Amino acid sequence: DAGITQSPRHKVTETGTPVTLRCHQTENHRYMYWYRQDPGHGLRLIHYSYGVKDTDKGEVSDGYSVSRSKTEDFLLTLESATSSQTSVYFCAISPSGGSYNEQFFGPGTRLTVL
Amino acid sequence: GENVEQHPSTLSVQEGDSAVIKCTYSDSASNYFPWYKQELGKRPQLIIDIRSNVGEKKDQRIAVTLNKTAKHFSLHITETQPEDSAVYFCAASKPHDMRFGAGTRLTVKP
Repeated sequence: DAGITQSPRHKVTETGTPVTLRCHQTENHRYMYWYRQDPGHGLRLIHYSYGVKDTDKGEVSDGYSVSRSKTEDFLLTLESATSSQTSVYFCAISPSGGSYNEQFFGPGTRLTVL
Repeated sequence: GENVEQHPSTLSVQEGDSAVIKCTYSDSASNYFPWYKQELGKRPQLIIDIRSNVGEKKDQRIAVTLNKTAKHFSLHITETQPEDSAVYFCAASKPHDMRFGAGTRLTVKP
């Protein structure tokens, strides 16, 4: 597996609380992505980053923000968690990003919002 | 935006038989088509991919075909083994925008 870790691996939180998920890579890849995976929907892109401090929205970005202050770390924040954000969150990295963006996934974080 | 349809949603085959999973996409700007395998509780793993300028690619028992005109692509697994049992996802991608199908649960019966 590519050098990608995610923390925490499991989290249970309550509606209205802030949550931050961390993705850490040791590959020095420029491109990083956050996805959520829900039954019947495959994976859906939340936000992505194309460099330090360079981020953009994906398909399902409402309710999420991201930050990337270092090449190796990409943080996903739920400012005020809702039950609809209960999901498995995967981080991915890509060496190429732009064209033919071959992506490699981290182990995932299972988030439950009560 | 891009829409990726994947069929079937479940597929059961006997060990040694072939399995075929089909996907269609809508955005003609998509130029990269990966396939991922995901075992229960694990991360998606890239198993094969194809670029828009290639019609077919093979890697041992797995192959992928792409028909750009019809906007569909397929995964073929030959001589299936029990360890091929997993959920398979297709995806269609253009720069920074990868859209996934909903997945196919493949079961290979010994």
